[in-house]
Amino acid sequence: NAGVTQTPKFQVLKTGQSMTLQCAQDMNHEYMSWYRQDPGMGLRLIHYSVGAGITDQGEVPNGYNVSRSTTEDFPLRLLSAAPSQTSVYFCASSLRIAGANVLTFGAGSRLTVL
Amino acid sequence: GQNIDQPTEMTATEGAIVQINCTYQTSGFNGLFWYQQHAGEAPTFLSYNVLDGLEEKGRFSSFLSRSKGYSYLLLKELQMKDSASYLCAVLDSNYQLIWGAGTKLIIKP
Repeated sequence: NAGVTQTPKFQVLKTGQSMTLQCAQDMNHEYMSWYRQDPGMGLRLIHYSVGAGITDQGEVPNGYNVSRSTTEDFPLRLLSAAPSQTSVYFCASSLRIAGANVLTFGAGSRLTVL
Repeated sequence: GQNIDQPTEMTATEGAIVQINCTYQTSGFNGLFWYQQHAGEAPTFLSYNVLDGLEEKGRFSSFLSRSKGYSYLLLKELQMKDSASYLCAVLDSNYQLIWGAGTKLIIKP
């Protein structure tokens, strides 16, 4: 099993450019999420989805869009990149949202916005 | 507001024991997780506590006291490969995970 596959691993953008971070899981997980990780801070939730066709905002959703057209895929779109979006992004999934459902993380995408 | 506190960095010696503390103030409680994250890699699951007490898993144990809003991760017989960041996260009443900033553990020979 591949688990959670995230691409690209590294990306450099100029301010104002747009891009999509891809995330796919092959574990039939209902719950998928996107986090950003910045130095000295905990993981912060950007957007999440509890099933195909259902998405919701997390703690820091501004400047990002998501969609969940299939159970497997959960892409994150940066609409107009800003230097404040320089970060490491993780996609994570679990069987369900509640209880002792362990998150499986993708390998991460390091984004630099100049 | 919701808050998770962990020490920023700790140093320990190979073969020794180290305890990493986590205190939390959250809107409700539905469990506490510990994850390990090696530098440049993704977090991986270590333990989950929802009831008070100690859960042991090999060299790693995790303790929870819900009344004190407190947990610790205990690592025994430290190995160099245990050098990593350890992340504490609480599942709140809305089933959202609140994450601490992580504790960077440095193991010295």
